[in-house]
Amino acid sequence: DIQMTQSPSSLSASVGDRVTITCRASQSIRSYLNWYQQKPGKAPKLLIYAASSLQSGVPARFSGSGSGTDFTLSINSLQPEDFATYFCQQSYSTPPTFGQGTKVVIK
Amino acid sequence: QVTLRESGPALVKPTQTLTLTCTFSGFSLSTSGMSVSWIRQPPGKALEWLAHIDWDDDKYYSTSLQTRLTISKDTSKNQVVLTMTNMDPVDTATYYCARMRADIALAFDYWGQGTLVTVSS
Repeated sequence: DIQMTQSPSSLSASVGDRVTITCRASQSIRSYLNWYQQKPGKAPKLLIYAASSLQSGVPARFSGSGSGTDFTLSINSLQPEDFATYFCQQSYSTPPTFGQGTKVVIK
Repeated sequence: QVTLRESGPALVKPTQTLTLTCTFSGFSLSTSGMSVSWIRQPPGKALEWLAHIDWDDDKYYSTSLQTRLTISKDTSKNQVVLTMTNMDPVDTATYYCARMRADIALAFDYWGQGTLVTVSS
């Protein structure tokens, strides 16, 4: 199975900050990398697919980049509703696997 | 409008078999490129993919759980059913079903709200 490692596991930030979360795969996954946002008690929500494609309806302050083994999710101008946990997921091979999550909290 | 909804028991005893049903609307599981997956999340932990079933009835299972899992679909009822045998307290988790699409890099674009299953005697 492909292991997905996110960093950091948590971060504190203020409204208006730019935030960057990193995800590393244990082997090349080309661009088969997806990002999700999860709020407490809710199901995950797809933000980015194929490393850099913005899912319909997701604000443009979210962006993704990377290929191969190293990927980044960036949030420009953090908004109050963005405080949540973010997961990366590889869809290059079965089984699909998720990172352990990055919790973004208010500073 | 795509929706998915999980249903099943909230409490099961150790060694029992869990049966979960995902009822969906807004798409057809007979459409090429469509799949439905089951994913679980123990309290406070990360997401774990369990199984998925494709539009053409291909089935895939978690390596570590494959001997305990069975997934099936009823296209006419728009349902996907997951059974998990020999339940253990470590299987306590919120269980989600989610749609996966081949045309968006096999990402999970719609999720159910999840159902919490507690395993306890």
